[in-house]
Amino acid sequence: RKEVEQDPGPFNVPEGATVAFNCTYSNSASQSFFWYRQDCRKEPKLLMSVYSSGNEDGRFTAQLNRASQYISLLIRDSKLSDSATYLCVVIPPSGGYQKVTFGTGTKLQVIP
Amino acid sequence: DAGITQSPRHKVTETGTPVTLRCHQTENHRYMYWYRQDPGHGLRLIHYSYGVKDTDKGEVSDGYSVSRSKTEDFLLTLESATSSQTSVYFCAIMKVQGGTSYEQYFGPGTRLTVT
Repeated sequence: RKEVEQDPGPFNVPEGATVAFNCTYSNSASQSFFWYRQDCRKEPKLLMSVYSSGNEDGRFTAQLNRASQYISLLIRDSKLSDSATYLCVVIPPSGGYQKVTFGTGTKLQVIP
Repeated sequence: DAGITQSPRHKVTETGTPVTLRCHQTENHRYMYWYRQDPGHGLRLIHYSYGVKDTDKGEVSDGYSVSRSKTEDFLLTLESATSSQTSVYFCAIMKVQGGTSYEQYFGPGTRLTVT
């Protein structure tokens, strides 16, 4: 089993739609979780951290389910500019800075 | 964006030649990383550094070496470039706050083609 798994997509959704991505992780002791956004031919950029209590930033909501070992990202009212690849990132317990693990990404295409 | 620059941004080189990529940061972060990104593989760690002259191997370190003589610079060297090292290379830093908050930030990347 891969350490971090994502559905590669692509997810093709119309503007205004709500879309959700899941990411599963294998190390139950993982400490920190993030979603990154990567545009074509650009570097990954931090979108949001994922906290145990869940967190929201505008149209974006991130959730963590430790029991089932997955994190999710919900995007409401999709915009054309949301088209990108979304990477799930997991960091192990304290001191494991070298073990940052990336999913291969989920591609989102928002269609007019 | 953590003030990370990479040079060169693009490079074409021939098989067998040595190549050095540079990563420069302006915010004095302790942890620095080199990744490569290839279709179907996502980001894979080549080497990382946890301080000046302190480096360690990642999962795909064969054929690569690194050096960190100053906090702000982390160099990646392909000792003898091969076509399999054609890739996009990203440098990253880890911003650690209070020992409990970690955020990784990336440089703009270097596109390397080995012919």
